[in-house]
Amino acid sequence: NAGVTQTPKFQVLKTGQSMTLQCAQDMNHNSMYWYRQDPGMGLRLIYYSASEGTTDKGEVPNGYNVSRLNKREFSLRLESAAPSQTSVYFCASSEGISGSTGKDTQYFGPGTRLTVL
Amino acid sequence: GDSVTQMEGPVTLSEEAFLTINCTYTATGYPSLFWYVQYPGEGLQLLLKATKADDKGSNKGFEATYRKETTSFHLEKGSVQVSDSAVYFCALRGLVISSGSARQLTFGSGTQLTVLP
Repeated sequence: NAGVTQTPKFQVLKTGQSMTLQCAQDMNHNSMYWYRQDPGMGLRLIYYSASEGTTDKGEVPNGYNVSRLNKREFSLRLESAAPSQTSVYFCASSEGISGSTGKDTQYFGPGTRLTVL
Repeated sequence: GDSVTQMEGPVTLSEEAFLTINCTYTATGYPSLFWYVQYPGEGLQLLLKATKADDKGSNKGFEATYRKETTSFHLEKGSVQVSDSAVYFCALRGLVISSGSARQLTFGSGTQLTVLP
């Protein structure tokens, strides 16, 4: 099993450009998440999908959109990139959501390092 | 809302030294608590977790005990190795579904550990 995979690994954009970050998991997990990691701030949740067909905003959703394409794939789109979106983006998945003991452990992908000039 | 306060780094230790990284939290009820580790250039990996008060999570020589009375989940290791050099994140997962906190991890800011030979 590959676990959680993300593409691309690195990306440089100019302000105003758009792009989509791809994420896929092969663990048959129901829930998927997108985080951003900034220095000194830990990880912050952008959007999540509790199950196929549903998506919800996290802590910092502005400037982003998501699509839960199927159970395996969860993409993150930047419609008009801004320098404030320079960050490392992590996708994660879990079997379920909190309340199901042992099923809420999140597994992370290797990350996408995005620079917006 | 939920929050995690983590010991500021960086922390530099000699091989075989004792490690403590402090973590305290604020949350409603009894959240699940986690320690994640991030090695250079990689995504986060679950190190250990505890789901109820007085539980002790352990893995690879690391331990942390869920202390409800002090709202803490300090990470300890008796003898660190050079290979333990990484960033360590404390995180919690809330249990109150109605608040939305059940569906996300709240992370501390991370502690950089460097172990010298």
